[in-house]
Amino acid sequence: ELKVEQNPLFLSMQEGKNYTIYCNYSTTSDRLYWYRQDPGKSLESLFVLLSNGAVKQEGRLMASLDTKARLSTLHITAAVHDLSATYFCAVDMDSNYQLIWGAGTKLIIKP
Amino acid sequence: ETGVTQSPTHLIKTRGQQVTLRCSSQSGHNTVSWYQQALGQGPQFIFQYYREEENGRGNFPPRFSGLQFPNYSSELNVNALELDDSALYLCASREGPGYDEQFFGPGTRLTVL
Repeated sequence: ELKVEQNPLFLSMQEGKNYTIYCNYSTTSDRLYWYRQDPGKSLESLFVLLSNGAVKQEGRLMASLDTKARLSTLHITAAVHDLSATYFCAVDMDSNYQLIWGAGTKLIIKP
Repeated sequence: ETGVTQSPTHLIKTRGQQVTLRCSSQSGHNTVSWYQQALGQGPQFIFQYYREEENGRGNFPPRFSGLQFPNYSSELNVNALELDDSALYLCASREGPGYDEQFFGPGTRLTVL
């Protein structure tokens, strides 16, 4: 059974600091997704990572994928308050586009 | 370009009742997936429809069923509602089953009393 674990589950940080969210998964997969969710809102796609070594960056967020280690990271650079949200990683199970999701990392960035 | 829409926004039902949730996919998207997201948890995959056929299902009982229509809109039906069915139900669409990125609707918040 594919399991996806995120850590930390909760992160409170100051503006201007850097931090990394980790996403580990238990079986082989070549597709990993990062989403953002604001309270009471739907899911916004951030990154789609499709191969080992993939790295994508958008603004202050950078995501990477190491399929051999079954690990993806979401790095936040010089955090700003607007990045406060819950971040989910999701892994494609069996390459049939059924996504298995992590529990989410709730990120609070204090001014 | 119209995004994914869902209706209703909120719904309150009592245990044992039946509910139908609706989703209109993004223009040009023929594949729709449904997810259940309990409070404080990640979404769980319910099923996926492609060209009116179910082509993937998660670990949900048969009382969760769906339909996809020729215009690619979709319904999620839940029979014999249980308290644990209270959740945010999300619909997502993509251009086709082979496309990686999917776009989510705003969700329907279902409360079962």
